[in-house]
Amino acid sequence: DGGITQSPKYLFRKEGQNVTLSCEQNLNHDAMYWYRQDPGQGLRLIYYSQIVNDFQKGDIAEGYSVSREKKESFPLTVTSAQKNPTAFYLCASSPIVERVYEQYFGPGTRLTVT
Amino acid sequence: LAKTTQPISMDSYEGQEVNITCSHNNIATNDYITWYQQFPSQGPRFIIQGYKTKVTNEVASLFIPADRKSSTLSLPRVSLSDTAVYYCLVFSGSARQLTFGSGTQLTVLP
Repeated sequence: DGGITQSPKYLFRKEGQNVTLSCEQNLNHDAMYWYRQDPGQGLRLIYYSQIVNDFQKGDIAEGYSVSREKKESFPLTVTSAQKNPTAFYLCASSPIVERVYEQYFGPGTRLTVT
Repeated sequence: LAKTTQPISMDSYEGQEVNITCSHNNIATNDYITWYQQFPSQGPRFIIQGYKTKVTNEVASLFIPADRKSSTLSLPRVSLSDTAVYYCLVFSGSARQLTFGSGTQLTVLP
């Protein structure tokens, strides 16, 4: 089955540590996205990538970094500079960035930093 | 990006038709309207997209009046499993990102 996988489902870290969230897709999509969702809120875009070796900042990129070395992988690193990292993180992909509305989402990773 | 306004929450009963209206007064000529559904602790799922008049698929219908300042998502004969948050998004054809608001929490009661 084609889809998007995110691992792990739950992640716990101590404050001051960097942590990397995994996102893999086998849909052969060019575009990939990372969102953050806080309780009772909508999704906010962190970064997106239109193609391999390219990525653009979204609305809340500060304290985060990404890489896109392979088409199927788009890992997100939450750095110690992110003030409030505890949140639900969602990865998504679309066939091309021009079809941004047709995003397929992964199951999400719930990060807790104490 | 056009700002959208939708009700925070709605209740319905099983078997009823549910209509969720979204207001987008400053929608631009090349903007599209799309709706997503999100269950707790899951990623959103694309439901339907439209530009004008009416669009229907196997899940829902989307009604867009001529002035396009609002749109209505219609879910026929809802069941308990339709309980979710529904997001209305407006984006231009050249957009590279989507903006999600807080959505509408639909609760279907037995």
